[in-house]
Amino acid sequence: EAGVAQSPRYKIIEKRQSVAFWCNPISGHATLYWYQQILGQGPKLLIQFQNNGVVDDSQLPKDRFSAERLKGVDSTLKIQPAKLEDSAVYLCASSLNMPGAGYTFGSGTRLTVV
Amino acid sequence: GQQLNQSPQSMFIQEGEDVSMNCTSSSIFNTWLWYKQDPGEGPVLLIALYKAGELTSNGRLTAQFGITRKDSFLNISASIPSDVGIYFCAGHQIQGAQKLVFGQGTRLTINP
Repeated sequence: EAGVAQSPRYKIIEKRQSVAFWCNPISGHATLYWYQQILGQGPKLLIQFQNNGVVDDSQLPKDRFSAERLKGVDSTLKIQPAKLEDSAVYLCASSLNMPGAGYTFGSGTRLTVV
Repeated sequence: GQQLNQSPQSMFIQEGEDVSMNCTSSSIFNTWLWYKQDPGEGPVLLIALYKAGELTSNGRLTAQFGITRKDSFLNISASIPSDVGIYFCAGHQIQGAQKLVFGQGTRLTINP
């Protein structure tokens, strides 16, 4: 089966600019996650969608980060305006809607804010 | 937020040696997962554990779900160069939105 697709792979922007990332999950996976992975750390959950509804966005900095999954398939994550500390790899993952289901991750988007 | 304490942070071993790493939490988890991440890629699932006390193998990898539900370990036997990477433990909390929480990772380096 096709994996989780993410684009772009790399992005370099200046602080205060805006940026958007795109994710296409595995077909049939109802649950989609966006994680932020800062260099040298484990991934940290930003937001979790169940179909097109938000399940958990408690760790999403809502003053600058937003995410949507309008049709319950693709998702976009936006940062506006970006700060230097937003430099990280942004990982998208998807899973079946089952307790304890393993997540399949995309390759991520490496964002550098200068 | 909930944290998983993973140790060691890094390991430097000779090819052929066995490896052991573990993960602990102050809270109970209902699943434990072990992932490996190669440079420039997302984490890839190695082993999933669903029951307290469960011991599961995947080739040279063996992982166990602690009886207290607050810890897990991963062993790699007879390490080979392609085992190099960062290993993460992760767990689903027993309550709430079932989000997957990750440890800080163990970076494995192998000297040929």
